[in-house]
Amino acid sequence: DAGVTQSPTHLIKTRGQQVTLRCSPISGHKSVSWYQQVLGQGPQFIFQYYEKEERGRGNFPDRFSARQFPNYSSELNVNALLLGDSALYLCASSGRKDTIYFGEGSWLTVV
Amino acid sequence: GQQVMQIPQYQHVQEGEDFTTYCNSSTTLSNIQWYKQRPGGHPVFLIQLVKSGEVKKQKRLTFQFGEAKKNSSLHITATQTTDVGTYFCAGLWGTYKYIFGTGTRLKVLA
Repeated sequence: DAGVTQSPTHLIKTRGQQVTLRCSPISGHKSVSWYQQVLGQGPQFIFQYYEKEERGRGNFPDRFSARQFPNYSSELNVNALLLGDSALYLCASSGRKDTIYFGEGSWLTVV
Repeated sequence: GQQVMQIPQYQHVQEGEDFTTYCNSSTTLSNIQWYKQRPGGHPVFLIQLVKSGEVKKQKRLTFQFGEAKKNSSLHITATQTTDVGTYFCAGLWGTYKYIFGTGTRLKVLA
């Protein structure tokens, strides 16, 4: 079975641009979470979606938004990019036992 | 807000020495999970602890959850070079939000 897949793996954007990151959870997992990991720090919770509904949101500005599709895949959108948004964006899916499986992440560099 | 602190921030050990990282939460946690992240990689799930005072072992790794469910530890016996990486604890706050610790970066010298 495939694990959590994310795309793109690396991207470079300019300040003020918008970015969309994509995630496909493990087959059968209905919950998808997004985390931001700045270099040298632990992952920070951004969103969790379950059955296409937003269950929770971390302390991120409204420039960050997400959605989950009927097939449980998800997109994270970030508008009006700032230099400080440069980070590894991790998607995680979980099944019934709360175990989180992370994808390999999308490395975003804002210049 | 909720915070999860880990100490130490860095640890260099000689191969064969033991290693321990400690995780402390400002609030009571529903459960705690531990992850290992290799340089350039993504966090990989190691274990989940749910019960107060729980102790679990995985080969050379021993995990503990405190009685008050606000602290946890990971102990590695006789470290190997393959243990290199950053170890994160993550506490479940409420029903869906995992708060990750600050991480302990382990370097093992051969």
